[in-house]
Amino acid sequence: SQELEQSPQSLIVQEGKNLTINCTSSKTLYGLYWYKQKYGEGLIFLMMLQKGGEEKSHEKITAKLDEKKQQSSLHITASQPSHAGIYLCGADVGGKLIFGQGTELSVKP
Amino acid sequence: GAVVSQHPSWVICKSGTSVKIECRSLDFQATTMFWYRQFPKQSLMLMATSNEGSKATYEQGVEKDKFLINHASLTLSTLTVTSAHPEDSSFYICSAGSGNTGELFFGEGSRLTVL
Repeated sequence: SQELEQSPQSLIVQEGKNLTINCTSSKTLYGLYWYKQKYGEGLIFLMMLQKGGEEKSHEKITAKLDEKKQQSSLHITASQPSHAGIYLCGADVGGKLIFGQGTELSVKP
Repeated sequence: GAVVSQHPSWVICKSGTSVKIECRSLDFQATTMFWYRQFPKQSLMLMATSNEGSKATYEQGVEKDKFLINHASLTLSTLTVTSAHPEDSSFYICSAGSGNTGELFFGEGSRLTVL
């Protein structure tokens, strides 16, 4: 079965600093999703990547999928308190989505 | 944009009772919906895939008689936790897609507390 490993599990950064969250799959990814969640709330869709080498950006968040399609990174530039939350990567496995364990991000003002 | 709505957002029930959670796609038809469970400080665990007009597909280890799923229309799937016990207390989230590989939309989640 496919497994997703996220790192780090938690992250505390100073406001204004850049950060990167990684997601590694045990198998080739055919669709990689990034979501953000506030604890106890639903998920907010950030980006979806499908092609090897693909890169997408939205505001200060950039996500990349490596050429081999087994690793993705989420990069936040000039972090703000509003970026705080749990970031989850999800993999499309036969039409259903499985998730990594999540990365909890705290941004200190 | 597309919205998925869950109801209720939170529910408290007594042990032994059954609880129904609804998941609705508000502005699109969802041939497939997914039900997840999330424990505090943990990730989402896929419970089952709900298919409109057919039986749900359950993930390994999920009791289908315990967690009844019905997807009677293209906009509504329900999850019924039968004979709930305190260990069933959790955050349940649904997601819906239109059938194509693309963005999946998530509901706001339903927090179940079983006393």
